[in-house]
Amino acid sequence: GAGVSQSPSNKVTEKGKDVELRCDPISGHTALYWYRQSLGQGLEFLIYFQGNSAPDKSGLPSDRFSAERTGGSVSTLTIQRTQQEDSAVYLCASSLVDTPQHQPQHFGDGTRLSIL
Amino acid sequence: DAKTTQPNSMESNEEEPVHLPCNHSTISGTDYIHWYRQLPSQGPEYVIHGLTSNVNNRMASLAIAEDRKSSTLILHRATLRDAAVYYCILRETNRDNYGQNFVFGPGTRLSVLP
Repeated sequence: GAGVSQSPSNKVTEKGKDVELRCDPISGHTALYWYRQSLGQGLEFLIYFQGNSAPDKSGLPSDRFSAERTGGSVSTLTIQRTQQEDSAVYLCASSLVDTPQHQPQHFGDGTRLSIL
Repeated sequence: DAKTTQPNSMESNEEEPVHLPCNHSTISGTDYIHWYRQLPSQGPEYVIHGLTSNVNNRMASLAIAEDRKSSTLILHRATLRDAAVYYCILRETNRDNYGQNFVFGPGTRLSVLP
């Protein structure tokens, strides 16, 4: 079956521009997560959705970052006025239910964002 | 927060077993132990998880110490496609902290030699 799909796979933009990253989770998965991974580093949590609401957005690094989810499915992560330190791979994951202790997360292959 | 420590890198020969260790001495009684791996240019992939008993699936086995302060991921016959970074993660039970409940450290970079 289809896995988590992210688009675009690569995005190059100039400093100061806004970018929008998209995540299509696995159908039926109610939990959705966004992470950021800098080169050679581990994952950095950004935000978690349960359905359309975000009970945990504690990882968003600044108010330039926002995310929404509609219809309990597609999610978009928006970065306004991009800075060079925003360059990273942005990963999306989904899981079947809201029991994080023992539900595996299924990851997309990420969007590689490069800020010039 | 519960933390894990893993060796930075390991090497194995193809078709030999690989034992990837993880220490988690501050684990709480209801924390699950999860393993993921990440191949180059891909997102992380779930491998296996467990609580107290050893676990087996088609990808690997997970051996959990009796005191739960350490665990070992076992790949029974390493292939070249198993070359990846392997992450050992504790999934904590604080339901007010969903996102921080999934902390990836640097992991172990496994190289498989033909």
